[in-house]
Amino acid sequence: NAGVTQTPKFRVLKTGQSMTLLCAQDMNHEYMYWYRQDPGMGLRLIHYSVGEGTTAKGEVPDGYNVSRLKKQNFLLGLESAAPSQTSVYFCASSYYPWGGIGTGELFFGEGSRLTVL
Amino acid sequence: KQEVTQIPAALSVPEGENLVLNCSFTDSAIYNLQWFRQDPGKGLTSLLLIQSSQREQTSGRLNASLDKSSGRSTLYIAASQPGDSATYLCAVSDRDDKIIFGKGTRLHILP
Repeated sequence: NAGVTQTPKFRVLKTGQSMTLLCAQDMNHEYMYWYRQDPGMGLRLIHYSVGEGTTAKGEVPDGYNVSRLKKQNFLLGLESAAPSQTSVYFCASSYYPWGGIGTGELFFGEGSRLTVL
Repeated sequence: KQEVTQIPAALSVPEGENLVLNCSFTDSAIYNLQWFRQDPGKGLTSLLLIQSSQREQTSGRLNASLDKSSGRSTLYIAASQPGDSATYLCAVSDRDDKIIFGKGTRLHILP
């Protein structure tokens, strides 16, 4: 059981380049999230999805786009990378939302370390 | 706006001691509180989740308590071991069902 898998794990980009991070989960979870983690800033929510075909903005959405065409996949795109987007990106998923029924326990991927030069 | 604070930012204790990690939040209208562990260069691993109707949860040597009215949660680790060394984060839900994380406490258990 793979859980939450992120690809790639490491990537170096030049300013202005584009790329896509892929998150895949095999737990049939409805809810998926993209976070970035920066020293001294903690984890901040970029975008999230409450089900296939849906996306919503989080705390720091600017410069990022997302898509959830299939329930098991949540893609995070950078159209024109900037040095400020150098960070470690984490994907997470849960079966229930935190505001709804059930426990909504969050499961995380191992992270994708992105450097923008 | 919900804010989550974890103090201290770093903690070193000798092996075998019991210890308490603290998490405080500004808005008591939360749904859940979850404690995570993060090892260097790794993702977050869920330790314990406390629903808003619960006061505490236990798993092995870990016990997490929740006091919504005072906006506090504690994570108690009994008989600490070097393998417990990691960063511990707590997270709560806000009024819009988003999950807000604290910045974590970096724990070092001295052999």
